[in-house]
Amino acid sequence: KQEVTQIPAALSVPEGENLVLNCSFTDSAIYNLQWFRQDPGKGLTSLLLIQSSQREQTSGRLNASLDKSSGRSTLYIAASQPGDSATYLCAVSPPVTGANSKLTFGKGITLSVRP
Amino acid sequence: SAVISQKPSRDICQRGTSLTIQCQVDSQVTMMFWYRQQPGQSLTLIATANQGSEATYESGFVIDKFPISRPNLTFSTLTVSNMSPEDSSIYLCSVRGGQETQYFGPGTRLLVL
Repeated sequence: KQEVTQIPAALSVPEGENLVLNCSFTDSAIYNLQWFRQDPGKGLTSLLLIQSSQREQTSGRLNASLDKSSGRSTLYIAASQPGDSATYLCAVSPPVTGANSKLTFGKGITLSVRP
Repeated sequence: SAVISQKPSRDICQRGTSLTIQCQVDSQVTMMFWYRQQPGQSLTLIATANQGSEATYESGFVIDKFPISRPNLTFSTLTVSNMSPEDSSIYLCSVRGGQETQYFGPGTRLLVL
């Protein structure tokens, strides 16, 4: 059974700092890995998706990497801003499509960027 | 990408009552997913809804408690029946797009007193 872990559960950094959020998963047989952002009491916003054949994806100040063999992904946030404060979740999908392709989520990392 | 809207955005309900949550997508999709996020927890899949067939429920979730409708390819409803305080959660509608990217609605924040 796939398990996704995100440690630490919470992180507080000063504005401007570059930071790395970690995600690990137990079964390397994945189809893709997705990073989401969730603001308090709100839904999820998709940030980046990495296919299993890819090593990284970039969008603006965000860079996500994937090391499937070691079961790890990182989300790198450059020059953090107070507006980046949110919970960041990673999720993996199994190597099947259709109805059996169910995401497994981590519990998320709650990031606070101090002005 | 897919744009998803949900109604209501939040509600406060009394124990024993039922609430129906609506989900509207801006494009036709085969599968729609309903998730629950209890306070301080990650997301748990409730069921997968296909148009024209019964929803498929995950372990621990039953149709009597969470009936789902899927009348067409852009719309679905989830009803939370006979509510108790343990049902207080954020309920999220989700669809899958290209490359198996998952998109989520803004969520419905439910508080049961």
